[in-house]
Amino acid sequence: EAGVTQFPSHSVIEKGQTVTLRCDPISGHDNLYWYRRVMGKEIKFLLHFVKESKQDESGMPNNRFLAERTGGTYSTLKVQPAELEDSGVYFCASSQDISGLYGYTFGSGTRLTVV
Amino acid sequence: QKEVEQNSGPLSVPEGAIASLNCTYSDRGSQSFFWYRQYSGKSPELIMFIYSNGDKEDGRFTAQLNKASQYVSLLIRDSQPSDSATYLCAVPHLQGAQKLVFGQGTRLTINP
Repeated sequence: EAGVTQFPSHSVIEKGQTVTLRCDPISGHDNLYWYRRVMGKEIKFLLHFVKESKQDESGMPNNRFLAERTGGTYSTLKVQPAELEDSGVYFCASSQDISGLYGYTFGSGTRLTVV
Repeated sequence: QKEVEQNSGPLSVPEGAIASLNCTYSDRGSQSFFWYRQYSGKSPELIMFIYSNGDKEDGRFTAQLNKASQYVSLLIRDSQPSDSATYLCAVPHLQGAQKLVFGQGTRLTINP
């Protein structure tokens, strides 16, 4: 079974530019999550999709961040325009179970550096 | 007070010894607890979850939960150099169980 795949693994962009991160969850997993870890801080929740619907987007920092999951398969997270404080590692995760009781599988992350 | 707290380490343990990792949480109503292991540059990997007070064993790993004291720990017996990693404690948010709240992680180094 293929795991959660994220692309790109690294991205370096200038402040003010746009970046789009992609996540392919494990096939058949309806639940898809985005998390972020900024330097020196803990991993923090951004949002949760159930299929193509946003179940919880309470962690999205501001309206410069836009997540989509058209068709309920892969998801994209766009940052426009990027700011320096957006630098960090963006993780995607997926699960089959919606209860959250069994944890989920993470991708290896996209390391975003805004200069 | 942070919702989930861990000592960031680094924690150094000699090979073959027991490594003890601790985590405290603030929400008394929390019901489930997760331990993830993350190697440098890799994805967090779920290694244990526990719901009930007491101990849960899986191979060399034992998770211990004490809800009255609001702490959960992870013991690694017969530590191996391959256990060197950052260990993350995570607790589902009370307002959305699918949303995990993570501690900062403890960096563990097993010395040969």
